[in-house]
Amino acid sequence: SQTIHQWPATLVQPVGSPLSLECTVEGTSNPNLYWYRQAAGRGLQLLFYSVGIGQISSEVPQNLSASRPQDRQFILSSKKLLLSDSGFYLCAWNRDREHSPLHFGNGTRLTVT
Amino acid sequence: AQKITQTQPGMFVQEKEAVTLDCTYDTSDPSYGLFWYKQPSSGEMIFLIYQGSYDQQNATEGRYSLNFQKARKSANLVISASQLGDSAMYFCAMKGTGFQKLVFGTGTRLLVSP
Repeated sequence: SQTIHQWPATLVQPVGSPLSLECTVEGTSNPNLYWYRQAAGRGLQLLFYSVGIGQISSEVPQNLSASRPQDRQFILSSKKLLLSDSGFYLCAWNRDREHSPLHFGNGTRLTVT
Repeated sequence: AQKITQTQPGMFVQEKEAVTLDCTYDTSDPSYGLFWYKQPSSGEMIFLIYQGSYDQQNATEGRYSLNFQKARKSANLVISASQLGDSAMYFCAMKGTGFQKLVFGTGTRLLVSP
């Protein structure tokens, strides 16, 4: 069966510090990978998605970047965090098949102080 | 572009009763998928049920069923025999033809009381 791992679960970082969130998927190959952000009490906003190694599409221009160095690894980064980067970050994957449901990791709660 | 509307910010139901969470959508794609997710207070998003636009029958998964009315563009989630563990945020989402992002509604918070 497929599993998705996301870490860390919580993170408190000062403004201006770097960020690296990691997500890995097991039990499948060539998944589509996604990073979503959820502000407190709100819906999900798609940040990045990837259909293959080194292929990253950005949905919202901002202070963040993503990379996919390996088939089942997706990394969300920032060189300098802003207060507005605080939120709940969710990694997700699905099969490269129409209408394949997304399966989410447990999320990372990021607080920028 | 796809749009999902969930008009109920909060719903209350007593344990063992059924509850319907509303979802309407808008799309110009001839083929699309509709999804429901549950988000407990711990934060993870749990996939519940899927309905394809060409499916003839309403989807069911255990206590969850999807009341799909294509002409009205609605895809309401019905939870039968509510349990205390059903208390959570519920998100409706849809995806159009080809590789398109999953678009989420703003969610409905369900509270199940004893």
